[in-house]
Amino acid sequence: NAGVTQTPKFRVLKTGQSMTLLCAQDMNHEYMYWYRQDPGMGLRLIHYSVGEGTTAKGEVPDGYNVSRLKKQNFLLGLESAAPSQTSVYFCASTHQDRGRMTFFGQGTRLTVV
Amino acid sequence: AQSVTQLGSHVSVSEGALVLLRCNYSSSVPPYLFWYVQYPNQGLQLLLKYTSAATLVKGINGFEAEFKKSETSFHLTKPSAHMSDAAEYFCAVTPWTGDYKLSFGAGTTVTVRA
Repeated sequence: NAGVTQTPKFRVLKTGQSMTLLCAQDMNHEYMYWYRQDPGMGLRLIHYSVGEGTTAKGEVPDGYNVSRLKKQNFLLGLESAAPSQTSVYFCASTHQDRGRMTFFGQGTRLTVV
Repeated sequence: AQSVTQLGSHVSVSEGALVLLRCNYSSSVPPYLFWYVQYPNQGLQLLLKYTSAATLVKGINGFEAEFKKSETSFHLTKPSAHMSDAAEYFCAVTPWTGDYKLSFGAGTTVTVRA
């Protein structure tokens, strides 16, 4: 029962470095999402995907890119990290027909110095 | 666009006392409504959800929430707080149709005093 798995769990980057966060789900969900969580702001949607090969912008997409080449995976990339991207990142997935149940990964804590 | 307002960023209750967390949404059509809990350094766990079947929704860990359309509210309650209820709680909404994106409130941190 893995659910939604995020890697890595922690990462420290220097300003200007790039990295990719990986999200994998084993529930055959069509919809996948990347959120960032900052104190006092709840979770804000970065990008999302409604199916394999599709992506769309969320509320705060600037500085991020995503790809969904396989249904079970959703990658979040930072091409040139900035201190403002220091945050906790959550991946989530939803099945379109099962009561709108959204499942979350355990999060990735990213610090950009 | 949907928005969610959680009144009070911090709530402190005594063990055994009532827990009341407030959530109001703005939408012309009542959406799906959810409450999530987040324990320190963990992901989000679903407490309960409203999907129009009943206005009083019971969730896990003794929590329940009541949907009031006239007040556009979905407040979360628990009759008797336990130390293990100390966590951050998020109200979230998603529309009936579309891409199921969740919109979250800013969160309420609950502290339980012994």
